[in-house]
Amino acid sequence: AQRVTQPEKLLSVFKGAPVELKCNYSYSGSPELFWYVQYSRQRLQLLLRHISRESIKGFTADLNKGETSFHLKKPFAQEEDSAMYYCALNPGGGNKLTFGTGTQLKVEL
Amino acid sequence: GAVVSQHPSWVICKSGTSVKIECRSLDFQATTMFWYRQFPKQSLMLMATSNEGSKATYEQGVEKDKFLINHASLTLSTLTVTSAHPEDSSFYICSGGRADTGELFFGEGSRLTVL
Repeated sequence: AQRVTQPEKLLSVFKGAPVELKCNYSYSGSPELFWYVQYSRQRLQLLLRHISRESIKGFTADLNKGETSFHLKKPFAQEEDSAMYYCALNPGGGNKLTFGTGTQLKVEL
Repeated sequence: GAVVSQHPSWVICKSGTSVKIECRSLDFQATTMFWYRQFPKQSLMLMATSNEGSKATYEQGVEKDKFLINHASLTLSTLTVTSAHPEDSSFYICSGGRADTGELFFGEGSRLTVL
């Protein structure tokens, strides 16, 4: 069975500092990986997906199949980036996502 | 953008009663909807996959007689927690997938408190 691991429950950085939210997965096939974000008192929303290879709100994530990782990065953290971030895996079609436990990002001034 | 709406946002009920939570896709058709459960400070756990016009597929360990799911139309799925008990208290979230893009959209969640 697939698994998504986010080792950090809380990550606190200063404004302007680089951010890296770690995500590792285990799955025998070729999964589709996502990052979802949940701002305070808002619903979960898609931040980015690995197949798009795009940058959203300054965030990027590269799928590293060798290390089975999909870490989320941003060079300069902003206060509005403070939120809960979930890494998720879709094993292949059907949108049955497996979520990691989430990382709370806190950007301090 | 596409919106998924859940109702009610929060509900308090007495032990032994049943509670229905609705999940609607407001501006797109969702042939498949998903129901999750989230405990405080924990991840979303997939409970079941709801397919329009057919029986839901439940994840291992989820009691299908306890959590009744109905997907009567392409825009509405309902989750009924039957004979609720305090341990059923949780945050329930639904999501719907757009058939054209495959993107998932999440509802705002429904907080159930069973006294």
